Amino acid sequence: KQEVTQIPAALSVPEGENLVLNCSFTDSAIYNLQWFRQDPGKGLTSLLLIQSSQREQTSGRLNASLDKSSGRSTLYIAASQPGDSATYLCAARDNYGQNFVFGPGTRLSVLP
Amino acid sequence: SQTIHQWPATLVQPVGSPLSLECTVEGTSNPNLYWYRQAAGRGLQLLFYSVGIGQISSEVPQNLSASRPQDRQFILSSKKLLLSDSGFYLCAWSQPVVGANSPLHFGNGTRLTVT
Repeated sequence: KQEVTQIPAALSVPEGENLVLNCSFTDSAIYNLQWFRQDPGKGLTSLLLIQSSQREQTSGRLNASLDKSSGRSTLYIAASQPGDSATYLCAARDNYGQNFVFGPGTRLSVLP
Repeated sequence: SQTIHQWPATLVQPVGSPLSLECTVEGTSNPNLYWYRQAAGRGLQLLFYSVGIGQISSEVPQNLSASRPQDRQFILSSKKLLLSDSGFYLCAWSQPVVGANSPLHFGNGTRLTVT
């Protein structure tokens, strides 16, 4: 059964710093891996999706990488801003395509 | 473009009362549909998913049920709510796995408080 973990559980950084969020999964037979952002009391907003055949995806200041062999994905945020403060979740989609397994999330605070 | 609607946004219900949460998707056909629950301070728990009308898979045994009466409509129900049913309920959809890019899209969620 797929299990997804995220480290750290919480992170506080000063504005302008570059940071890395980590996501690990136990079963490498995934179809894709998706990163989300969740603001308090809100739904999840999709940030980046990496197909299993890809190594990384970029959108603006965000870069996500995927290493299936080691069961790891990272989300890199460049030049962090207070508006980046939110909880970031990763989800692995299994090879049958029907199920997404989520990590517990990393709560990020960017201090002005 | 595709959109997902989920309602109500907030709900306060007494223990033992029934529940009905509704989710609809527009702008796509034959989507996979999902109900997740997020308890306070915890991750997302998959409750049900559906790959077609009348096809429901349950991930967690509980007093909740789901139905898909139409292609783009997904309903979460309970006959008698428990205190432990309180949480944030999220509906989501994705395309079936036939394309290269099939992300999961979420609604805005329903905050359910059982008193």
